[in-house]
Amino acid sequence: NAGVTQTPKFQVLKTGQSMTLQCAQDMNHNSMYWYRQDPGMGLRLIYYSASEGTTDKGEVPNGYNVSRLNKREFSLRLESAAPSQTSVYFCASNLWTGDLTPLHFGNGTRLTVT
Amino acid sequence: QKEVEQNSGPLSVPEGAIASLNCTYSDRVSQSFFWYRQYSGKSPELIMSIYSNGDKEDGRFTAQLNKASQYVSLLIRDSQPSDSATYLCAVNREGSSYKLIFGSGTRLLVRP
Repeated sequence: NAGVTQTPKFQVLKTGQSMTLQCAQDMNHNSMYWYRQDPGMGLRLIYYSASEGTTDKGEVPNGYNVSRLNKREFSLRLESAAPSQTSVYFCASNLWTGDLTPLHFGNGTRLTVT
Repeated sequence: QKEVEQNSGPLSVPEGAIASLNCTYSDRVSQSFFWYRQYSGKSPELIMSIYSNGDKEDGRFTAQLNKASQYVSLLIRDSQPSDSATYLCAVNREGSSYKLIFGSGTRLLVRP
C-alpha cells in the first residue's frame, strides 16, 4: 500500500528557479492538501483541494500555485523560488465524509533555495 | 494569540511514567481534534482523533477534550523511549472544515 507518494524527496534550487512538487494518493481520497513545515512553526496549510476540480488557498499561499490534475494527483508549483520558501513540504489527503477525517501524509520534500 | 498553542518543551519524563501533553485553541466552534506524532525527519502520523467532550482511550493513549475550556490533551501511560518524538495538536477552523490548523508541537523525551 503506497498511500501518499511525494516526489522528489530532496531538491536544491537557486533563487528565481521554478519547480513542481508532485503528489499522488492511491486511497481514493477526495481531498488533498499541501503543507509546509518550518522549525518552530508547525505545519502551515498552503493550498487544499476539497474535491477534484476545486482548489482553495490556505494560510500561506503567496508564491505558490497548485493543480488538481485528477482525483489521485495534486501538484504544487513554485514559479520563482525564494530563500523564504526553504522548508519541508508535506502533501496529505483524506476522505471527506461530512466530518473532517484524519489526514494521511506523504514522506515530505525537503527543499532548499539558495 | 496563536490559533492552536502548545508548549514547545522538551517535556522530559522517566520511562514508565505518564506523559501529559496539552493544547489550547482559540476557535470556539472547532469540531475536530487530532493528535499526531512526528519523529525527527519523518512525516506526522495520526495517534488519536476526538470529536466529543470527554475522554477517548486507545491502548496507552488517552485524548481528553474540553470544549468549554478550549483545550485538548493527550496522556501517554507507561511511557517508552520509543515515544520520544514531537507531538502535534491539530484543530479544524470554523467555517472551513477542510482547514486543519496545527500547533507548533511539543517535544517529548522519555528517559530510560
